[in-house]
This record gives sequence, C-alpha cells and structure tokens, in this order.
Amino acid sequence: QVQLVQSGAEVKEPGSSVKVSCKASGDTFSNYAISWVRQAPGQGLEWMGGIISMFGTTKYAQKFQGRVTITADKSTNTAYMELSSLNSEDTAMYYCARDVLRYCSDTICYHVYFDIWGQGSLVTVSS
Amino acid sequence: QSVLTQPPAVSAAPGQRVTISCSGTNANIGNNFVSWYQQFRGTAPNLLIYDNNKRPSGIPDRFSGSKSGTSATLGITGLQTGDEADYFCATWDGSLSVWVFGGGTKLTVL
Repeated sequence: QVQLVQSGAEVKEPGSSVKVSCKASGDTFSNYAISWVRQAPGQGLEWMGGIISMFGTTKYAQKFQGRVTITADKSTNTAYMELSSLNSEDTAMYYCARDVLRYCSDTICYHVYFDIWGQGSLVTVSS
Repeated sequence: QSVLTQPPAVSAAPGQRVTISCSGTNANIGNNFVSWYQQFRGTAPNLLIYDNNKRPSGIPDRFSGSKSGTSATLGITGLQTGDEADYFCATWDGSLSVWVFGGGTKLTVL
C-alpha cells in the first residue's frame, strides 16, 4: 500500500521560510509527478506546483513563482516544498499528492488525477 | 477565486440524489479529464472520480461522474449521513500547464 508521509506541523515567523517533506513508502514516485496543494483555514484547495522527478522538471503556479521551490530526492523517495518570505496568509495545511501522468512527450506530460495524498502538514505563520 | 466554478453548498435528505456541478473553459475541462475529491473535515482529500467518470476501487457505485463540453457533474445517489463532506473538482489546464480546482461544495445530508 503506497503512502505519502509528510513532516510535522511548523510555526514560523513572518519573513522566514519553511520546508515540508513528503516521503513515499511502498513505492517510488519515479513514474509520477508530485504536486503540492495548500488549503487555508475554511478555504478550498490551491495548487502550488509540482515536480516530475524522472525528468527533474518543475512547474509552479504563477502566484507562487519566485517564492516556492519544489525538489525531490530519488534515492530516498522524498519530495520537498520550500516556501519563503512567509506571511500570515500562508497559514494553511499543505498537502503533497501523487500526480498521475497519462503520457509524456519529451518532458511534457499529461496529468490526469491525484490518486494518493499525504496526511497534510500544518504551517502557522505568526509572530 | 477558483478557476473552476462549483456551487458553495448543496443539501438533500437521506436516500435522495444530489448533483454537484463544476464549470470551466475549453482550456481546462473542455480538453482534459476531470477528477473529483471528497474531503471530510480535518482530513486530506480522497480521490472519488477520475477520468470524468471512473471510480477507484473501494468507491461505491452510488458515486458517478460525467462531463459535457466545459462542465462536469458529480452525482451521488442513496445519500447517507456519512456522505457529508466537501467535494472538489479538478482538472489539468493544458494551455498553462497547471492544475486548477473548483472552490469546493459542502454537502449537507438533512
């Protein structure tokens, strides 16, 4: 049974950075993408970006460009999401999700759904 | 403001049927598969429907999905109190190479 296990809750000061990890157990994510999705309190789901580790390519939502970095360590089947210049509006639950790819042409892939989600990592930004 | 449009809330009595709509554009829903996610309070989302109308193993056939043009619909029949949750639609926007979500619909089983 494949699982995505995320790192624990964090409390950060405004202006600082946070790095959240997401480890795949029971399988690798080498043939998938890993996306990061956040959910502010009482709000909907917001895609932040993702990584396709077999190509080493990343894609970020325009809103987070320049502030988010997503990486992956294939040797440990762990993905990471680092968000910098934190402010109170970044207080949210952050989820990683396995992003199923239907096919790829060169490094351009067709994404179809998220089949497995991590348990979430709560990031609180407060002074 | 979410890219895909869903009603904020729907409600129905136990045993009844309810539908949740998800509206987009040609760039997203019109040319890509839609998936649906169920999220109970305090838990992570869970895949409910993929490829517009397919159910993962373990999802009862009370749940169904359909797509027509730039809109998709989630249907739930034989409503149970345990179905009370938030439901989100999502699809890949191929023109921007980004995932887009609906704002979510809160289902209340009266």
